[in-house]
Amino acid sequence: NAGVTQTPKFQVLKTGQSMTLQCAQDMNHEYMSWYRQDPGMGLRLIHYSVGAGITDQGEVPNGYNVSRSTTEDFPLRLLSAAPSQTSVYFCASSYSIYGTEAFFGQGTRLTVV
Amino acid sequence: SQQGEEDPQALSIQEGENATMNCSYKTSINNLQWYRQNSGRGLVHLILIRSNEREKHSGRLRVTLDTSKKSSSLLITASRAADTASYFCATQGKTSYDKVIFGPGTSLSVIP
Repeated sequence: NAGVTQTPKFQVLKTGQSMTLQCAQDMNHEYMSWYRQDPGMGLRLIHYSVGAGITDQGEVPNGYNVSRSTTEDFPLRLLSAAPSQTSVYFCASSYSIYGTEAFFGQGTRLTVV
Repeated sequence: SQQGEEDPQALSIQEGENATMNCSYKTSINNLQWYRQNSGRGLVHLILIRSNEREKHSGRLRVTLDTSKKSSSLLITASRAADTASYFCATQGKTSYDKVIFGPGTSLSVIP
């Protein structure tokens, strides 16, 4: 059982470039989310989805887009990378949005130069 | 914001000792969860406690919740070197679409 799979694990981008971080889960979870983790700040919610075709903004959505065309996949797009987006990105999924444990991917370490 | 804040930020103990971490939050919650993160890895769920519960156990872990004080504690008994990790509390509010908000975490070092 793969759980939550994120690709790539590491990425270096130049300022202004765009890219997509991939996230896939095989647990048939309805709820998926993206977080970024910066030193001393815990995890901050970027975007989340409560099911295919439904997405919403989290705490820090600016500069990021998401879509949810299938239950399994929830890609995160950086539109025009900035050094402030240097961070570790985690994708998570859970059975429902409310009161259930989240399963996390292994993270993508992104550096924007 | 309902964000939880862990205390202390860092904790260093000897193997075999107990480790206690605290989490305080600001607004009423439906549930509170604790997660562990080993260096360079994703988060792993430890325990979920709901607002109508006061205490839960899982192996060497004991979590308490005091909604009157808006605080929770995570106790790890008989700690091991493998418990070295960062520990995060995450809170979720009372409405059905309230997001899960994480605190900044406590870094635990268990010295063999």
